[in-house]
Amino acid sequence: GQNIDQPTEMTATEGAIVQINCTYQTSGFNGLFWYQQHAGEAPTFLSYNVLDGLEEKGRFSSFLSRSKGYSYLLLKELQMKDSASYLCAVRGYFSGGYNKLIFGAGTRLAVHP
Amino acid sequence: DAGITQSPRHKVTETGTPVTLRCHQTENHRYMYWYRQDPGHGLRLIHYSYGVKDTDKGEVSDGYSVSRSKTEDFLLTLESATSSQTSVYFCAISDPDTSNEQFFGPGTRLTVL
Repeated sequence: GQNIDQPTEMTATEGAIVQINCTYQTSGFNGLFWYQQHAGEAPTFLSYNVLDGLEEKGRFSSFLSRSKGYSYLLLKELQMKDSASYLCAVRGYFSGGYNKLIFGAGTRLAVHP
Repeated sequence: DAGITQSPRHKVTETGTPVTLRCHQTENHRYMYWYRQDPGHGLRLIHYSYGVKDTDKGEVSDGYSVSRSKTEDFLLTLESATSSQTSVYFCAISDPDTSNEQFFGPGTRLTVL
């Protein structure tokens, strides 16, 4: 089966760095995604990793280790607007379909002044 | 932003009544998805479509049916709504030939009394 684990809640201080971890167990792995979702809004795409290593995009970076079934999202220079839920999602070969995503329950990040 | 709209945005209905939610896209993306989002569960796939008249079940498809008669429209029907179907429903689209992302619509909040 498929299983994705991430912490339920995290808090951090404005200007700091925070790392949100995601561990997964899936079959036929074909990519890992991070989405940001503000309360009451739709998820928006942040990053995509399919090979091991770090992908950097401005203040946000995402890391993947396929052998360990592990990813993290790193947020630098935190701003109040980064308070949101962060969703980890894995794409794989589920039930014969290749382009389906399985989502974790999300990590709610609160940034304090 | 990707051109995805959902209607209605909010709906309150009674147990046992039929409900249809509509997703409309202007991006000509091949894949369309219906998810539901509940506290503690994250986003869960209900049904998806990989082309006109081509649909398949997701992980929580019981009690739901879908139809796609045109590229731009994907309908989700609850034949006889139950209180357990109270949720926020998100439509998403993707085009694997051009991008890895799934783009999400604004969501529909459905309450079944």
